[in-house]
Amino acid sequence: EPEVTQTPSHQVTQMGQEVILRCVPISNHLYFYWYRQILGQKVEFLVSFYNNEISEKSEIFDDQFSVERPDGSNFTLKIRSTKLEDSAMYFCASSVREGLYEQYFGPGTRLTVT
Amino acid sequence: KNEVEQSPQNLTAQEGEFITINCSYSVGISALHWLQQHPGGGIVSLFMLSSGKKKHGRLIATINIQEKHSSLHITASHPRDSAVYICAVKRDEKLTFGTGTRLTIIP
Repeated sequence: EPEVTQTPSHQVTQMGQEVILRCVPISNHLYFYWYRQILGQKVEFLVSFYNNEISEKSEIFDDQFSVERPDGSNFTLKIRSTKLEDSAMYFCASSVREGLYEQYFGPGTRLTVT
Repeated sequence: KNEVEQSPQNLTAQEGEFITINCSYSVGISALHWLQQHPGGGIVSLFMLSSGKKKHGRLIATINIQEKHSSLHITASHPRDSAVYICAVKRDEKLTFGTGTRLTIIP
């Protein structure tokens, strides 16, 4: 069964460094999402992406964050200058199209900023 | 006030018991998702509902759009059902999540 994959599974970085989290969505899916979950808290929406553009973003997704689909398979989340409070689990998800279609989640990348 | 409220926050039950987890929301939505999060952190989509009821194996999900309420039921619960169950509501392309219900099934 097709699945969303994410790399790395765990990333440790120093405050102020740039990180890129990578996701490979399911191949025929057209809508892509990033979510984050700070330890012990609920999952939060960051951004949705379609047709090489951001379609919606939350107030969390400020200028420090960017997303890109650099080729036909990868979908990346970049954090330019990490802060301690960026430490969280980051989940990528994809859906075949918008509307009443399920989102399929990747296994997550645990980001630890020290 | 959170847009999505789940109850209970924690639930411990004996194997075989019938389980109900509730979700109430305060905004207009296009759909509601029930998700399962395992101890390792991975998230699995269980159901997406826009009306009525869906069943998959021992899991049943219902939604009442007028009352802004959904329930997830597990019949004949099993220790492997132990996980956090999360309700998330969909508006446009954004999902808003509840805080989850931690379910523990004791053998």
